[in-house]
Amino acid sequence: DTGVSQDPRHKITKRGQNVTFRCDPISEHNRLYWYRQTLGQGPEFLTYFQNEAQLEKSRLLSDRFSAERPKGSFSTLEIQRTEQGDSAMYLCASSFGVGEGDIQYFGAGTRLSVL
Amino acid sequence: TQLLEQSPQFLSIQEGENLTVYCNSSSVFSSLQWYRQEPGEGPVLLVTVVTGGEVKKLKRLTFQFGDARKDSSLHITAAQPGDTGLYLCADPFLKYIFGTGTRLKVLA
Repeated sequence: DTGVSQDPRHKITKRGQNVTFRCDPISEHNRLYWYRQTLGQGPEFLTYFQNEAQLEKSRLLSDRFSAERPKGSFSTLEIQRTEQGDSAMYLCASSFGVGEGDIQYFGAGTRLSVL
Repeated sequence: TQLLEQSPQFLSIQEGENLTVYCNSSSVFSSLQWYRQEPGEGPVLLVTVVTGGEVKKLKRLTFQFGDARKDSSLHITAAQPGDTGLYLCADPFLKYIFGTGTRLKVLA
C-alpha cells in the first residue's frame, strides 16, 4: 500500500489555461474527496465520490471545476479557464466507509500557481 | 453552518516548552478529529475523540474533548522541533469541515 498519490505535485499555469490533476487513492478505498487549501488555512471541502458516483459538491466548486472518478478508481479534477484566485493546494483524500465519520488518508497535494 | 475556530493562529516556542491549542465550535460536535500537517504534505490524522470529557494521550500529546462536545484542546508537553506543523481540528460528520488551524513552530 503506497498511500494516496497525487500528480503533479506542482503546476504553474497562465491565467485562462485549463489544468487537470490526478489522484490515485488507496486501492481498497471506496470514497474519495477533493479539498482546496490556501496558505495558512484549513482544507475546504470541494467534492466527494463514493465509488464512481459524485455524491456531493461544495458551493466552492464553480462551473469551471469538474471532477470525475471513472470506474471508481483514480479521480481527476479539472479547472477550466484558470483564474489567479484558483492558486492553492489541491488535496485528495480517500477512505473506506459505509457510514459517516470514516478516517481519511490524504495525499501530499498538488500546488497550483496561476500567473 | 458549523464553524470551527482554532486558537492561537500562530505559535512559536522554544524546544522543551509546553503548549496548548484550542478548537471551538459554534455547534455540538458529533466527534472530533485532530490532524497535523507538515509543510508540503497532506494532513495526517492524530486522534479521534468521541465522548464528552474524553481524554486521549499520544506520547507527549494530550487531547481533551469538552464535556459539552463544543470544544477541544491539544496539549503538547516538552515540545520538539519535530512537532512543527499546522494543527487542524475537523468534524468528520459534516463533510469534513476543518478548523482554521494553528501553525506551530518549535525552535531548537
